[in-house]
Amino acid sequence: EAGVAQSPRYKIIEKRQSVAFWCNPISGHATLYWYQQILGQGPKLLIQFQNNGVVDDSQLPKDRFSAERLKGVDSTLKIQPAKLEDSAVYLCASSFLGVADTGELFFGEGSRLTVL
Amino acid sequence: LAKTTQPISMDSYEGQEVNITCSHNNIATNDYITWYQQFPSQGPRFIIQGYKTKVTNEVASLFIPADRKSSTLSLPRVSLSDTAVYYCLVGEGNTDKLIFGTGTRLQVFP
Repeated sequence: EAGVAQSPRYKIIEKRQSVAFWCNPISGHATLYWYQQILGQGPKLLIQFQNNGVVDDSQLPKDRFSAERLKGVDSTLKIQPAKLEDSAVYLCASSFLGVADTGELFFGEGSRLTVL
Repeated sequence: LAKTTQPISMDSYEGQEVNITCSHNNIATNDYITWYQQFPSQGPRFIIQGYKTKVTNEVASLFIPADRKSSTLSLPRVSLSDTAVYYCLVGEGNTDKLIFGTGTRLQVFP
């Protein structure tokens, strides 16, 4: 079974530039998550989709971050304009049932962003 | 927001049993406790999940007391390849958000 695919693996940009990350979840998984992981910290949930609807985006900095999941499959996370503090690994995860009480998430390898 | 707390780091030697405890005082009644393992430059990987008492699989055991305010991940006979960061994941008490703990960095020595 193919895992969660993410691209690009690495991205270096200047501050105030924009960047987009792509995620393809495991086939059949209804729920998709984007996490931000700053070096030395645990992953922080940015946004959660159930099919193509947003379940939780309370920790998404909406002035600069946006995410969409068209057709309930692939998802993109965009940052515009980027700030130095956005340097992190952006992890995409998916789950089959998408209910909070199971917690079994399948993660991609992440996209490492460096903002100079 | 409810917080989960874990020891920042632990050291062990190959062949020893390692127990990592996570405190989660505000766990929701119907939430599960899940532990993940993360190697450098990789996403977290599921290890084990439980609701109460004890759960065991081929790689670990999970002990959860009756009050469910903490859980202990037990790794029997660790090897060098178990060197990683371990996170516990629980649903937040009121909002059902999935919150990662601070993570425990386990270093296994020969």
